[in-house]
Amino acid sequence: EPEVTQTPSHQVTQMGQEVILRCVPISNHLYFYWYRQILGQKVEFLVSFYNNEISEKSEIFDDQFSVERPDGSNFTLKIRSTKLEDSAMYFCASSENRKGVGYTFGSGTRLTVV
Amino acid sequence: GNSVTQMEGPVTLSEEAFLTINCTYTATGYPSLFWYVQYPGEGLQLLLKATKADDKGSNKGFEATYRKETTSFHLEKGSVQVSDSAVYFCALSGNGTASKLTFGTGTRLQVTL
Repeated sequence: EPEVTQTPSHQVTQMGQEVILRCVPISNHLYFYWYRQILGQKVEFLVSFYNNEISEKSEIFDDQFSVERPDGSNFTLKIRSTKLEDSAMYFCASSENRKGVGYTFGSGTRLTVV
Repeated sequence: GNSVTQMEGPVTLSEEAFLTINCTYTATGYPSLFWYVQYPGEGLQLLLKATKADDKGSNKGFEATYRKETTSFHLEKGSVQVSDSAVYFCALSGNGTASKLTFGTGTRLQVTL
């Protein structure tokens, strides 16, 4: 079964550093998403991406965040200057269409900011 | 905006007990409804879904019925197993350009022998 692949599985970074979280969505999917889950809390939407631009973003997705699809396969989330409160599990997802057909999550990247 | 309310956990049951996890939602239009499961240390897996009123989603013995009149999507299983121990998230997707998911807070299920 096709998978969404995320790397790394765990990243530790110092406060103020930039991090890039990487995702390889399912190859025929057109819609891409990032979510985050702070430990013990609910999963929160960050951003959706379609046709090489952001479709929607949440209030969490402020200027320190950016997303990019640098080539035909990767989808990245960059956090420019990490804060302690950015520590969370970050999930990438992709879907075939805007109705969410085939919506599939990756296994997540655990980001720890120290 | 859209929102999902789940019953507070943790829920502790003995093996073979009946499970209900309540979920209600607020949304405009006709959302699709989902249950996701997260096993310890793992990501989110789709458990079941329903895309229109009165649809019943089912998988691995779990089921949930989309009730528009009560805006609910309660998860049920007739006989739980220890291996069902996980966190269960109710979620909905709206009708936007790209279907973001709105999640509930999650309900931890612990099944004991």
